[in-house]
Amino acid sequence: AQSVTQLGSHVSVSEGALVLLRCNYSSSVPPYLFWYVQYPNQGLQLLLKYTTGATLVKGINGFEAEFKKSETSFHLTKPSAHMSDAAEYFCAVRVNNNDMRFGAGTRLTVKP
Amino acid sequence: ETGVTQTPRHLVMGMTNKKSLKCEQHLGHNAMYWYKQSAKKPLELMFVYNFKEQTENNSVPSRFSPECPNSSHLFLHLHTLQPEDSALYLCASSQEGRGAGNTIYFGEGSWLTVV
Repeated sequence: AQSVTQLGSHVSVSEGALVLLRCNYSSSVPPYLFWYVQYPNQGLQLLLKYTTGATLVKGINGFEAEFKKSETSFHLTKPSAHMSDAAEYFCAVRVNNNDMRFGAGTRLTVKP
Repeated sequence: ETGVTQTPRHLVMGMTNKKSLKCEQHLGHNAMYWYKQSAKKPLELMFVYNFKEQTENNSVPSRFSPECPNSSHLFLHLHTLQPEDSALYLCASSQEGRGAGNTIYFGEGSWLTVV
């Protein structure tokens, strides 16, 4: 069965610093991988997704993620953190219709 | 503004009350979902509907009763809930078909507090 593991429930960075949120997946078949963001008191919003093709995926708000099959990873990065990036981030994997498995989430704090 | 609208956004109910959460999707999708989000726990899939038919019930207690009258509307009927049912309930929708790379779109959630 497919699953995802997010390393680190809390990540804190300074404004302007690199953001790196880690996600590893487990899947016996080629996965479809997603990153969602959840701002306080809101639902989940899609940041980016990998289905097929280019392994470096660009998303909204300057985020990107790279699918690395050899490492079973799909880490999320942003070169320069902004205060507005403070939120909870969820990695998710999907291999079948209706079946999306979410990680436990990583809370990103951005310090001034 | 999202394509999935949930009402009410906040609900406080007693353990003996009966209430309902409502969800409407404006995206023309054929699948709808209820998820539960509790503090310090991963998102839990509760129910899935495809073309108005329930296709998944993840061992959810019977005090939660879903209803999908058409592919655009989804309800979650609540009765005799427990305090541990307090959580954020998220509705979502997607277009299912060939392949599994379709995005699931979420509403803003309904905060439920059981007192």
